[in-house]
Amino acid sequence: EVQLVESGGGLVQPGESLRLSCAASGFTFSDHYMDWVRQAPGKGLEWVGRTRSKANSYTTEYAASVKGRFTISRDDSKNSLILQMNSLKIEDTAVYYCQAIEVATKSQDFWGQGTLVTVSS
Amino acid sequence: QSVLTQPPSASGTPGQRVTISCSGSSSNIGSNNVYWYQQFPGTAPKLLIYRSNQRPSGVPDRFSGAKSGTSGSLAISGLRSEDEADYYCAVWDNSLSGRVFGGGTKLTVL
Repeated sequence: EVQLVESGGGLVQPGESLRLSCAASGFTFSDHYMDWVRQAPGKGLEWVGRTRSKANSYTTEYAASVKGRFTISRDDSKNSLILQMNSLKIEDTAVYYCQAIEVATKSQDFWGQGTLVTVSS
Repeated sequence: QSVLTQPPSASGTPGQRVTISCSGSSSNIGSNNVYWYQQFPGTAPKLLIYRSNQRPSGVPDRFSGAKSGTSGSLAISGLRSEDEADYYCAVWDNSLSGRVFGGGTKLTVL
């Protein structure tokens, strides 16, 4: 059974840091791009960033809204994805989803259940 | 304001065909494939269409996608009450070097 399980969400104050994790199982993690996608309460989906596969040199891309503050990393040996979030802003409040995208055909993707990050003073 | 423009709402009666549009530009839809997602309240999105017009296994053939120029579309035929959900288009944007989502369309089955 495919599973993506996010953890690490919670309530933080503006300017603080938070580290989200995504544990993957049930599929070949290394064959997938891994994205973070967020959704503010009552709003639409917003792409946060991506880490590509080893075959694509683990390159990363970020949305302009988080570039320089967020860092995405992966550990294929542990089937694990990390989102390090620094200098958090109120507008970063959202449910954060990790998403696995199969590289070769893009015909398959998997999502976690999401973890809520609330930034408030 | 989203880079991709979707109508905020759409509606239809059971059995009808409904089409949801997604308008972009040459740097996104004009150059890359469109992906469509279905999302129910409180749950993660689900992939409906990949590479503009392909259905993943398990997605009913009532759902179809198309792309023309800088616009994509999702069509749902034989509308059912369980199709009531939010629908999002997504595409890679070469200018932004990132992925963009449409603002989402809330589909109501009357």
